[in-house]
Amino acid sequence: EPEVTQTPSHQVTQMGQEVILRCVPISNHLYFYWYRQILGQKVEFLVSFYNNEISEKSEIFDDQFSVERPDGSNFTLKIRSTKLEDSAMYFCASRLAGTGELFFGEGSRLTVL
Amino acid sequence: AQSVAQPEDQVNVAEGNPLTVKCTYSVSGNPYLFWYVQYPNRGLQFLLKYITGDNLVKGSYGFEAEFNKSQTSFHLKKPSALVSDSALYFCAVRDWGGNTGKLIFGQGTTLQVKP
Repeated sequence: EPEVTQTPSHQVTQMGQEVILRCVPISNHLYFYWYRQILGQKVEFLVSFYNNEISEKSEIFDDQFSVERPDGSNFTLKIRSTKLEDSAMYFCASRLAGTGELFFGEGSRLTVL
Repeated sequence: AQSVAQPEDQVNVAEGNPLTVKCTYSVSGNPYLFWYVQYPNRGLQFLLKYITGDNLVKGSYGFEAEFNKSQTSFHLKKPSALVSDSALYFCAVRDWGGNTGKLIFGQGTTLQVKP
């Protein structure tokens, strides 16, 4: 069964460093999302992406965050200068046109020291 | 704005007993409702959805959910719980505001099934 894949599964970084989290959505999906979850709690929306541009972003998604779909398969989330409070599990999700459910990857755990 | 509430942080049930995990919703458009399950250190797995049609929807692993428009609820149910059902369960609603298809999640309910 097709699935969303994310790398790395765990990244440890120093505060102020740049981090790139990578995702490969399901191949025929057209809508892409990043969510984050802090300490196994609520799942928070960060950004949605469609037709090679951001379609919506939350208040969390400030100027330190960016997304890109550089090659038609990968979908990346970049955090330019990480802060302690960016420590979280980041989930990528994708959706087929005309359906409602999102399919999530296994997540990338980011630890900022 | 759309929102969902899961009033219970944790639900405890004995194996073999029926289980219910509660969810209520608030939407300004058509209610597209979803349930997801998360096992420890894993991603969110889609269980089932309500878009339209029958109020009782069936999903993966023997789970079902009942859409109740008058009570604005979408409770998750299973007739006979298994220890392996122990996990974190999230209710979600589609947000029609930005028309991006994003889902808004509830706070999550931890289900503990004891042998």
